[in-house]
Amino acid sequence: QSALTQPPSASGSPGQSVTISCTGTRSDVGGYTYVSWYQQYPGKAPKVMIYEVNKRPSGVPDRFSGSKSGNTASLTVSGLQAEDEADYYCMSYAGGDTYVFGTGTTVTVL
Amino acid sequence: EVQVVESGGGLIQPGGSLRLSCAASGFSVNSNYMHWVRQAPGKGLEWVAVIYSGGSTYYTDSVKGRFTISRDNSMNTLYLQMNSLRGEDTAVYYCARGDNKGYFDYWGQGALVTVSS
Repeated sequence: QSALTQPPSASGSPGQSVTISCTGTRSDVGGYTYVSWYQQYPGKAPKVMIYEVNKRPSGVPDRFSGSKSGNTASLTVSGLQAEDEADYYCMSYAGGDTYVFGTGTTVTVL
Repeated sequence: EVQVVESGGGLIQPGGSLRLSCAASGFSVNSNYMHWVRQAPGKGLEWVAVIYSGGSTYYTDSVKGRFTISRDNSMNTLYLQMNSLRGEDTAVYYCARGDNKGYFDYWGQGALVTVSS
């Protein structure tokens, strides 16, 4: 049950795009379509932004998109806005009725 | 409105026990997957445990044999009984509703558990 690997930080100017990677193994990210992404502001609860690799819950802006290739999933935030500055975590079903989160990425809007 | 509210956190000595509660409203805990997720101070999220609608329970390796997830359908409340607590269990513990598509759609505000002498 090792955490999925994410870059510690990512940044972009307003209006630009930023992509965050989430690398796992065939036993988690690579083996299932149950990959989700969460946004978390300091001191707040996480909020789901993407589920099932590339689906957006109601109310999440279409600036957020997800994809997966092999053992690596990605979250792209297009048209960066100041409010997108937050921590982002990926999560995957890991088999055996267990789940695993990524190490987290802090997104900074320059 | 769907809502989950945790309670029961606090300061506990190493080796001690604590029970967290998560009161749900707007849905039934026994009809959904319910999870506990924790976050140590300044660290990332860690999945802790799940109870499925059928009652099956599963845990992350580090808490197996020490933590027990359960629910009270009449109270519509989820619990996490934590025994033999260690310093590394210090964290904010979140209750979250899970979807059968493997994601967590509603989260509580979290309950802080501090294990220290």
